[in-house]
Amino acid sequence: GENVGLHLPTLSVQEGDNSIINCAYSNSASDYFIWYKQESGKGPQFIIDIRSNMDKRQGQRVTVLLNKTVKHLSLQIAATQPGDSAVYFCAENGNTGKLIFGQGTTLQVKP
Amino acid sequence: DTAVSQTPKYLVTQMGNDKSIKCEQNLGHDTMYWYKQDSKKFLKIMFSYNNKELIINETVPNRFSPKSPDKAHLNLHINSLELGDSAVYFCASSQVSGTSGVSYNEQFFGPGTRLTVL
Repeated sequence: GENVGLHLPTLSVQEGDNSIINCAYSNSASDYFIWYKQESGKGPQFIIDIRSNMDKRQGQRVTVLLNKTVKHLSLQIAATQPGDSAVYFCAENGNTGKLIFGQGTTLQVKP
Repeated sequence: DTAVSQTPKYLVTQMGNDKSIKCEQNLGHDTMYWYKQDSKKFLKIMFSYNNKELIINETVPNRFSPKSPDKAHLNLHINSLELGDSAVYFCASSQVSGTSGVSYNEQFFGPGTRLTVL
């Protein structure tokens, strides 16, 4: 079956530190992965995506790492800011037309 | 300019009523979706329409009926509302590349509609 899960439900970091949010997926046919950020009362917002032919992709202050061998995805946020506080979701496409979302990790940034 | 919009933002209603949620996207995308987010924040797809045709229909009670009058709109009608239907419903859209139907593009989400059934 398809299962996208996150290792920790809540991550608390100090402002300025780097954050790493992890995600495990089980569908080896998935070839596209996305990270979304959801702030309170809002819809999920795209952060960064990666195709399975890559193992790393960088954006502004964010990096996504993909390890297909162990079916693991991570999101690294550099110099975490209070505005980064949100719930973060990973999602995989299962090589289908739909995205399968993980359960979400709450990132809390302490000032 | 709002890319994906939904109305209403909040909907409070009694059990047994029928209600609709509307969604519009101005991104020119060919595919639209409805998701349900429960109280534990779990996001699950319900339906997907590509060029007004239903392509994904997850295990959803047939009290839920999506309708796509055109590519830019996907409405969700819910009959005989139940307590368990209380959730936040998100509309999303994306451009599905090629003929395989597999999406390699991000989905843009609306702001959500919080449905409370009393």
